[in-house]
Amino acid sequence: AQSVSQHNHHVILSEAASLELGCNYSYGGTVNLFWYVQYPGQHLQLLLKYFSGDPLVKGIKGFEAEFIKSKFSFNLRKPSVQWSDTAEYFCAVNKGSGNTGKLIFGQGTTLQVKP
Amino acid sequence: NAGVTQTPKFQVLKTGQSMTLQCAQDMNHEYMSWYRQDPGMGLRLIHYSVGAGITDQGEVPNGYNVSRSTTEDFPLRLLSAAPSQTSVYFCASLEANTGELFFGEGSRLTVL
Repeated sequence: AQSVSQHNHHVILSEAASLELGCNYSYGGTVNLFWYVQYPGQHLQLLLKYFSGDPLVKGIKGFEAEFIKSKFSFNLRKPSVQWSDTAEYFCAVNKGSGNTGKLIFGQGTTLQVKP
Repeated sequence: NAGVTQTPKFQVLKTGQSMTLQCAQDMNHEYMSWYRQDPGMGLRLIHYSVGAGITDQGEVPNGYNVSRSTTEDFPLRLLSAAPSQTSVYFCASLEANTGELFFGEGSRLTVL
């Protein structure tokens, strides 16, 4: 079945550690890719997105992600995490070239950053 | 701007009861959708609408009805609640120019 997979379900890091969260999808063809974040008690917010162009995209709060088409991957990275990055992170894919909003989400990764 | 507003935030139902989760957005977005969030399963699309009068099914539509009589409102109806519908429900609307989904704060539903 077509899907979005996030490899890490729960990640615990100390402040200043580097972060990489994996995301793979199984759709062929054109895709739009997203990372959303859900801070404790808050609604989902967009971190970054990739539609086309430079496969390395930068988002808010120092996050970046790299689209590797050959690997069907869109991994999220941050060089140095902060306690305030504690949240749940979701990778999502929109099939096709249009902005339909019909996102398929991964299972989510809970990030806990220890001060 | 209020963005996407969902009510109620919390609800407890008994099996077989019906209820409506309300969703309203003030950003004049054409596209709106409902997701449910369950532990270990991420968010799954229930129903969506590309404009007033137009709705369609997502991944997990069974047990839910929607309608879209206005651009602003997109209510989700549970006609006969089941324990399997215990979940957190999110409404979202799409900013078409940027492709960004804006989410409401969620509605936590428990069905006993």
